[in-house]
Amino acid sequence: IVMTQSPASLSVSPGERATLSCRASQSVSSNLAWYQQKRGQAPRLLIYGASTRATGIAARFSGSGSGTEFTLIISSLQSEDFAVYYCHQYDNWPPAFGQGTKVEIK
Amino acid sequence: EVQLVESGGGLVRPGGSLTLSCAASGFTVSSNYMSWVRQAPGKGLEWVSLIYSGGNTYYADSVKGRFTFSRDNSKNTLFLQMNSLRAEDTAMYYCARHMAHMVSTAFDSWGQGTLVTVSS
Repeated sequence: IVMTQSPASLSVSPGERATLSCRASQSVSSNLAWYQQKRGQAPRLLIYGASTRATGIAARFSGSGSGTEFTLIISSLQSEDFAVYYCHQYDNWPPAFGQGTKVEIK
Repeated sequence: EVQLVESGGGLVRPGGSLTLSCAASGFTVSSNYMSWVRQAPGKGLEWVSLIYSGGNTYYADSVKGRFTFSRDNSKNTLFLQMNSLRAEDTAMYYCARHMAHMVSTAFDSWGQGTLVTVSS
């Protein structure tokens, strides 16, 4: 399965909303996760099951979608949210990641 | 607190070998599914290998036959033996835990990574 994220980069002002997309080349049901990776750090799990926030993740992060189309929305971006975001399908073997969307400060 | 700490990375020549370690604390590796995931410089994430709680192992096609995933239950530590290394194996290597004792799930804990550079 090939995971395609769009856009590759996104410039957003603090306080604004960011919408990130992830498309799977075939259905992955709801078996999709989102990770945040800041420069020089390991990825951190944000969302699993397409829409369930991981422990300790702020409510401004929300995930939706099923099948082949998924969305991560970050409402009211904070300074600490500027990072690269990856989607990950775990429905089919081997697990596959998207190429990432970089969220930059506008 | 769940913690994963990788070590063992470094500079190695093409064709050489290296063994990475991942020391776990706060949980038992033998009761969990664990994976290695790598990230080439400036690139995205790539799953490399998986070890089942029962000990079975699986590998990405790109490393099959060259890498071996193992663990030492007494030390709660994972290992990735990498042989016949190639330039394209250059990456940060992360160990990661699968959520909820399931294989087909997200990775809920990651180590900080160890950098492997394959170059002459």
